[in-house]
Amino acid sequence: QKEVEQDPGPLSVPEGAIVSLNCTYSNSAFQYFMWYRQYSRKGPELLMYTYSSGNKEDGRFTAQVDKSSKYISLFIRDSQPSDSATYLCAMWGSGAGSYQLTFGKGTKLSVIP
Amino acid sequence: DAGITQSPRHKVTETGTPVTLRCHQTENHRYMYWYRQDPGHGLRLIHYSYGVKDTDKGEVSDGYSVSRSKTEDFLLTLESATSSQTSVYFCAISESPGWQLNTEAFFGQGTRLTVV
Repeated sequence: QKEVEQDPGPLSVPEGAIVSLNCTYSNSAFQYFMWYRQYSRKGPELLMYTYSSGNKEDGRFTAQVDKSSKYISLFIRDSQPSDSATYLCAMWGSGAGSYQLTFGKGTKLSVIP
Repeated sequence: DAGITQSPRHKVTETGTPVTLRCHQTENHRYMYWYRQDPGHGLRLIHYSYGVKDTDKGEVSDGYSVSRSKTEDFLLTLESATSSQTSVYFCAISESPGWQLNTEAFFGQGTRLTVV
């Protein structure tokens, strides 16, 4: 079993829909949780990060962490065609390998106008 | 945008030939990383560096070597390229160790390598 599981999709939604992207993980040492967005043929860019459990909101994006369930989510409200990209979850913890982020495989999202 | 330049951006090479990919940064960040990205596998760490001449292996280091003689340059070498090393390679940099709050990793644009 991989340490981080993420449904690769693809996920196709109409413009304006609420999108829910999820990852599960098995390593309880993970403390920092991140979401990266990657446009086609580009490098990943950090979208949001959270520490430990709880919610964090940034505009149309909300990141949610449930450490008890080892489950993280990214919600996108009022989705736009410009949100079409691959979304990668990533996580790290001091007891899980000092310099290594562990990535999910990414979920490809298409927002249809 | 963070100052990271990967070169070349695209390369086609033959099996058995050595290949070197270069990552150049202008941010003076201490930590540099090489990842490969493949369908079905996501991003996997190959090697990383925590300072000049200080490097260590990542998850998929077999068949790869790295060197860092200057803060700004991190080289990835495929000693004898194989078809299984066909991939997109990303360099990343970060200012601090680990991935602490407020420490962002910046990724380059990637190098598309095809081994035929």
